Amino acid sequence: RKEVEQDPGPFNVPEGATVAFNCTYSNSASQSFFWYRQDCRKEPKLLMSVYSSGNEDGRFTAQLNRASQYISLLIRDSKLSDSATYLCVVKEYDKVIFGPGTSLSVIP
Amino acid sequence: DVKVTQSSRYLVKRTGEKVFLECVQDMDHENMFWYRQDPGLGLRLIYFSYDVKMKEKGDIPEGYSVSREKKERFSLILESASTNQTSMYLCASSFPDSDYNEQFFGPGTRLTVL
Repeated sequence: RKEVEQDPGPFNVPEGATVAFNCTYSNSASQSFFWYRQDCRKEPKLLMSVYSSGNEDGRFTAQLNRASQYISLLIRDSKLSDSATYLCVVKEYDKVIFGPGTSLSVIP
Repeated sequence: DVKVTQSSRYLVKRTGEKVFLECVQDMDHENMFWYRQDPGLGLRLIYFSYDVKMKEKGDIPEGYSVSREKKERFSLILESASTNQTSMYLCASSFPDSDYNEQFFGPGTRLTVL
């Protein structure tokens, strides 16, 4: 089993739609969780950290379920500019593990 | 504005050549990383360094070496390039480990080995 798994997609959604991505991790000792965004032919950039209580940043909501070992990212009111690959990132002690990413295309 | 730069955006080399990929950051970060990114596999850590002259193997160090002579510069070396090293190479840097561990990435070098 891979350490961090994501549905690769692609997710093709119309503008204004709500879309959710899930990510599962295998190590129950994982400590910190993040979502990064990578635009086409660009480098990954931090989108948001994921806190145990869940957190929201504008149209983006991240949630963590430690019991089931998964993380989710919800995007409301999708914009064309949200089209990108979303990488789930898990930190175990001093090791940072990137998931393979989920591709999102928002269609006019 | 924080910045991580890489010496080349695109590079084409021949099998057996020695290849140097350079990375420079201007944020005074202690930690620096080299990843390769391949479709369906995500980012895989090759080597990382948490201080000058220090280096640690990542998940896929075979066929690579690194050098960190100055804090701001981290070099990846392919001693004898092979076709299976064709990939996108990404350098990143960060402050020392903490709960908040944002990594800042360079723009990447797309290496093709013929």
